[in-house]
Amino acid sequence: AQSVTQLGSHVSVSEGALVLLRCNYSSSVPPYLFWYVQYPNQGLQLLLKYTSAATLVKGINGFEAEFKKSETSFHLTKPSAHMSDAAEYFCAVSESQGAQKLVFGQGTRLTINP
Amino acid sequence: EAGVAQSPRYKIIEKRQSVAFWCNPISGHATLYWYQQILGQGPKLLIQFQNNGVVDDSQLPKDRFSAERLKGVDSTLKIQPAKLEDSAVYLCASRLTSGKSSYEQYFGPGTRLTVT
Repeated sequence: AQSVTQLGSHVSVSEGALVLLRCNYSSSVPPYLFWYVQYPNQGLQLLLKYTSAATLVKGINGFEAEFKKSETSFHLTKPSAHMSDAAEYFCAVSESQGAQKLVFGQGTRLTINP
Repeated sequence: EAGVAQSPRYKIIEKRQSVAFWCNPISGHATLYWYQQILGQGPKLLIQFQNNGVVDDSQLPKDRFSAERLKGVDSTLKIQPAKLEDSAVYLCASRLTSGKSSYEQYFGPGTRLTVT
């Protein structure tokens, strides 16, 4: 069975500061890993994905994440936070084969302080 | 390219009533998912279709929830009778089955259900 743990249900940073959202996963098979963003009253939008190619993955809006197998982690970072980054962020894992259903973490709400 | 469409966007019903949600996936996407997202939690898979066949419905409360995907395109999710704990956002997602981007799921805007 697969699972995802997001450390910190709420993260607050100042505008211009580093954003770090933590994600650890558990999977018995090689995983695919994803970060999604959800703005209020909207669906989920894919930020970036790891699908067994490069371990450092770059996504939209200046976000990136690094897959670390030894630490079973896939943390999301952005060097300089912008007010528009305020949203809910979800880390998800799926198997690389088969049904590929997504298992989500509980989410991290990111607040940006001016 | 049009995205995943869902309707209605909002629904308020009383407990024990029935409700139905509709989803139209991206054209050509053979795989369709329904997720339930309770406030403060991540989405949880309810059911997955491949064309018009069910791939996984292990987490669907089958005593009250049902879903169908006639002709392998549109899908409907029904709840009958609704309970207070069914209050949530119901998200539909679709995915290509093969090809370079087949691992990516595209989500609709969701239907927010409130059961009173």
